[in-house]
Amino acid sequence: SQTIHQWPATLVQPVGSPLSLECTVEGTSNPNLYWYRQAAGRGLQLLFYSVGIGQISSEVPQNLSASRPQDRQFILSSKKLLLSDSGFYLCAWTRNEGSSPLHFGNGTRLTVT
Amino acid sequence: SQQGEEDPQALSIQEGENATMNCSYKTSINNLQWYRQNSGRGLVHLILIRSNEREKHSGRLRVTLDTSKKSSSLLITASRAADTASYFCATDDLGDAGNMLTFGGGTRLMVKP
Repeated sequence: SQTIHQWPATLVQPVGSPLSLECTVEGTSNPNLYWYRQAAGRGLQLLFYSVGIGQISSEVPQNLSASRPQDRQFILSSKKLLLSDSGFYLCAWTRNEGSSPLHFGNGTRLTVT
Repeated sequence: SQQGEEDPQALSIQEGENATMNCSYKTSINNLQWYRQNSGRGLVHLILIRSNEREKHSGRLRVTLDTSKKSSSLLITASRAADTASYFCATDDLGDAGNMLTFGGGTRLMVKP
C-alpha cells in the first residue's frame, strides 16, 4: 500500500531564517506531487505541483520554492521566511493518470515569529 | 482564486440527524471530489463523482452533481459525533494538466452527541 510521510509536524522559525519541509511517498512510482498551504479556517491554496523529477510548476509567486530531487521526494524551501509564510502546509500525491484522488500527508504547522 | 464555494460555512447538528453541505463552482469540470479534514490533520478523500454522473453513494454518504447549475451536495445520513470535521469540495477543472484540484473554503460540521 502507498504511504506519504511529511515532516516535521510543527515548526517555529524566526523571520529571515531558511525553511525546508520534506515529503516522501512510498509504494508507488512516478506520482504527481503537490504542496498546498492552508490558512486558519480556510481552504487550500495550491503552491507547487510536479509531474516528474525536476519538473516543478508554481501556481502562486511568493517567497517559496520547491524541488523534486527524486521520484518520490518533494521539498518545499525558503531562503528567508516572512511572517506571512505562517500556515499549515500539506503535501499530497496522486497517481499519474486522470481522475485520481489526492492523498495527503498529515501536514506541517509553520509559525514564523 | 477558489473555484468551489461551500455552503454553509458552519453547520451544527445533533447526532442522528442528517447533514447536507453544498458546493458551487464556476467552470466546466472533469470531476468533483469531496474531502474530510479532522482538526490539524491532512485531508482524506471521501468520494469522487465524474461530470457524467448525477449521484453517487458510499456508505452513509450521498453526493449529487448538477453540472447545469454547477453545484454539488454532500449528504451525511444518521450523523455521528465522529463525523465532526471540516468538509471540502474540490474540482478537477476541464483542461487542467497534472490532476490539479481547486478547493473550496470548506464547511465546518459539528455533530453534538
